Amino acid sequence: DTGVSQDPRHKITKRGQNVTFRCDPISEHNRLYWYRQTLGQGPEFLTYFQNEAQLEKSRLLSDRFSAERPKGSFSTLEIQRTEQGDSAMYLCASSFPDRAASGNTIYFGEGSWLTVV
Amino acid sequence: AQSVTQLDSHVSVSEGTPVLLRCNYSSSYSPSLFWYVQHPNKGLQLLLKYTSAATLVKGINGFEAEFKKSETSFHLTKPSAHMSDAAEYFCVVTSFFGSARQLTFGSGTQLTVLP
Repeated sequence: DTGVSQDPRHKITKRGQNVTFRCDPISEHNRLYWYRQTLGQGPEFLTYFQNEAQLEKSRLLSDRFSAERPKGSFSTLEIQRTEQGDSAMYLCASSFPDRAASGNTIYFGEGSWLTVV
Repeated sequence: AQSVTQLDSHVSVSEGTPVLLRCNYSSSYSPSLFWYVQHPNKGLQLLLKYTSAATLVKGINGFEAEFKKSETSFHLTKPSAHMSDAAEYFCVVTSFFGSARQLTFGSGTQLTVLP
């Protein structure tokens, strides 16, 4: 399978613990995105990498959240001191760089479900 | 700012009948628009996209959508629903967050297909 893969698919953690999610994008895609989706809502943009550089972060990404893409390939999203409000599905996506105004298709992984108890 | 409004949170149709999922958008420039589908416990799959070419866009699995600038709409249709179409559907508009093109999602429409 050459799609976007995410690990783990499900994580249950106690409040206050740290969790880390990994994303492996489609090979040769140099753009990588993280989105968060809560129940009954559409995904919301968190952050974006071009190669290893984290170029944008939304206000949703509090200081307890950190994302890295050290070699411009896979990425990790770490949540420190988890809170119940962090319970959501964390989606990773990747794409080629935009061309002209239309841009390229963004491909999503199957997501990592986080439940904080 | 760009935004999308999905007018129905739930739609139920009988198998073999037409599907209509409604979406209105707001954009300060010519938008790129998408429909994504999400099956339970699955990621998002692109159904189709509009990028200022033909206003009638054909996608996978028999879905199509028509871009109507005058109505700021991008409704998704399918002539005949199949049981496997039951899923959540998201209308999406491209927006720019700083230098990055990113996707702004609607709140979703849950499609139920009745036998």
